[in-house]
Amino acid sequence: NAGVTQTPKFQVLKTGQSMTLQCAQDMNHEYMSWYRQDPGMGLRLIHYSVGAGITDQGEVPNGYNVSRSTTEDFPLRLLSAAPSQTSVYFCASSATSNGEQYFGPGTRLTVT
Amino acid sequence: AQRVTQPEKLLSVFKGAPVELKCNYSYSGSPELFWYVQYSRQRLQLLLRHISRESIKGFTADLNKGETSFHLKKPFAQEEDSAMYYCALRPSGTYKYIFGTGTRLKVLA
Repeated sequence: NAGVTQTPKFQVLKTGQSMTLQCAQDMNHEYMSWYRQDPGMGLRLIHYSVGAGITDQGEVPNGYNVSRSTTEDFPLRLLSAAPSQTSVYFCASSATSNGEQYFGPGTRLTVT
Repeated sequence: AQRVTQPEKLLSVFKGAPVELKCNYSYSGSPELFWYVQYSRQRLQLLLRHISRESIKGFTADLNKGETSFHLKKPFAQEEDSAMYYCALRPSGTYKYIFGTGTRLKVLA
């Protein structure tokens, strides 16, 4: 099993550009989340999903969209990138709501 | 407001010394608490959770509801314990995990 995969590993965007961060898992997990990690702020939840077709907002959802059309994939879309979205983004999945979260390797995004 | 506080950004100890990484939480219900660890160039991974009441890699953590704490302890630190440690809270009935800001542990030879 590949576990949780994220692409790309690195990305540089200009302010105003849009892009999609990809996340996939091959463990048939129902629960998936997107976090951003910023220095001194730990991990903050952006959006999460408790199953295909079901998504909800986390702590810092503004500027991001998600969808969950399949169990495997949970893409994160930046609608109009801003320098404040410069961060490391992590995707995670778990089999149950209180089970171990398996994290992806992260995507380092820089917005200039 | 629901919150997880890790007061120390950096904790340095010598090899063989005891370690305690502090975690305090603010939550009115019955919390589920976790410790996650990120070793250098590795993914974030679960270390332990309070419902398991287990010891992983010599680490233990006890939930103290009176003090709203979930401190991570190890009696004798090892160099390979050097990593970033995050405490996390899952409010009952949700999947909205709340992470602390993390503590970097450095174990000195």
